[in-house]
Amino acid sequence: DTGVSQNPRHKITKRGQNVTFRCDPISEHNRLYWYRQTLGQGPEFLTYFQNEAQLEKSRLLSDRFSAERPKGSFSTLEIQRTEQGDSAMYLCASSSTYLGGELFFGEGSRLTVL
Amino acid sequence: EDQVTQSPEALRLQEGESSSLNCSYTVSGLRGLFWYRQDPGKGPEFLFTLYSAGEEKEKERLKATLTKKESFLHITAPKPEDSATYLCAVRRGSQGNLIFGKGTKLSVKP
Repeated sequence: DTGVSQNPRHKITKRGQNVTFRCDPISEHNRLYWYRQTLGQGPEFLTYFQNEAQLEKSRLLSDRFSAERPKGSFSTLEIQRTEQGDSAMYLCASSSTYLGGELFFGEGSRLTVL
Repeated sequence: EDQVTQSPEALRLQEGESSSLNCSYTVSGLRGLFWYRQDPGKGPEFLFTLYSAGEEKEKERLKATLTKKESFLHITAPKPEDSATYLCAVRRGSQGNLIFGKGTKLSVKP
């Protein structure tokens, strides 16, 4: 399967713990995006990378959130000192600036903070 | 402020009953309007991109159209397997990210 891969698919943690999600994009895509989605809402943009450079961060991305994309391949999204309000589905997507620019999403990582 | 509004929030149809979903937007420098389908617990699945007013695209029972202020997703003779949430999104200017609406949850009963 050559689609976007996200791990883990589900994560349950206690308030105050740190969590990390990983995203492996479609191999030929140079852009990678992180979104957050809560029940009944559309995906909300968090941040995106072009190759290894982080080009934009949303105001939603507090200082407890950090994303990296070393070497322009996979990406990680870390949430420090989790809060119950962080419970959501974290979606990763990738696109190519040369192939139409459509975003292709992974299956998501669902976070539950107790 | 850039905004995407989808209506209705939920739509129930009988199998074979055609209808339309609406996506209205306010954005400066539209660089594409996107439609996605999302099944429960899954990531959004890309359907269409529209770039200019008057453009239309079709896929099976779905047809997307675009005007200067809104887009419609027409569903002809829907089947139960078309049940899903349909999301609309816009890209503005040179930004890479998409701004999504809240979606329309479609239920098709046999």
